[in-house]
Amino acid sequence: SYELTQPPSVSVAPGKTARITCGGNDIGSKSVHWYQQKPGQAPMLVIYYDNDRPSGIPERFSGSNSGNTATLSISRVEAGDEADYYCQVWDSASDHRVFGAGTKLTVL
Amino acid sequence: QVLLVQSGAEVKKPGASVKVSCKASGYSFTSYAINWVRQAPGQRLEWMGWLNVFNGNTKYSQNFQGRVTITRDTSASTAYMELSSLRSEDTAVYYCAAEGNAFDHWGQGTLVTVSS
Repeated sequence: SYELTQPPSVSVAPGKTARITCGGNDIGSKSVHWYQQKPGQAPMLVIYYDNDRPSGIPERFSGSNSGNTATLSISRVEAGDEADYYCQVWDSASDHRVFGAGTKLTVL
Repeated sequence: QVLLVQSGAEVKKPGASVKVSCKASGYSFTSYAINWVRQAPGQRLEWMGWLNVFNGNTKYSQNFQGRVTITRDTSASTAYMELSSLRSEDTAVYYCAAEGNAFDHWGQGTLVTVSS
């Protein structure tokens, strides 16, 4: 089955740019979606189709996807961005949806 | 606006089954597929299965094959997830999610506790 690899944690100072990676075999050929989950809450979609933002998501959130790595970037990080972030793809070979293990973003 | 409201928390004994509901409103129920995702305490999101609400077709994760059944009642705009042969490792929050572009909208989650 298809696997996605995320770093367990990323730390960033307020106002800086956070980058969270999601690795997978030829992930650049797939569409990657990103979710934010704060403690005690349901996940929320923040990026879909690699780099599209749902309405209401700040422009500070962006994504890229090429080769074997997709990246979620959060510019001008705020304390409120502290959360777990999950990448997700649809694996056409198995017709399964797959999540990464999640990355905890800490704002210093 | 799109709203997915799930049924309340459940406590079940090992070996029992649980059925969680997900009532949709704010859109045409057949416009989005419904997925079920679970999250054990302190753990990652885990995809369980997918339902084509329009025709009832389903796809299940191999991790739950044979134990999970996803259905819908279009007249009630409600999807259901039933998990059987429960064990302690099934203690988790279970979410439904409407899939358009991605998992665009999520239910609030239902805590299922499996304990003797």
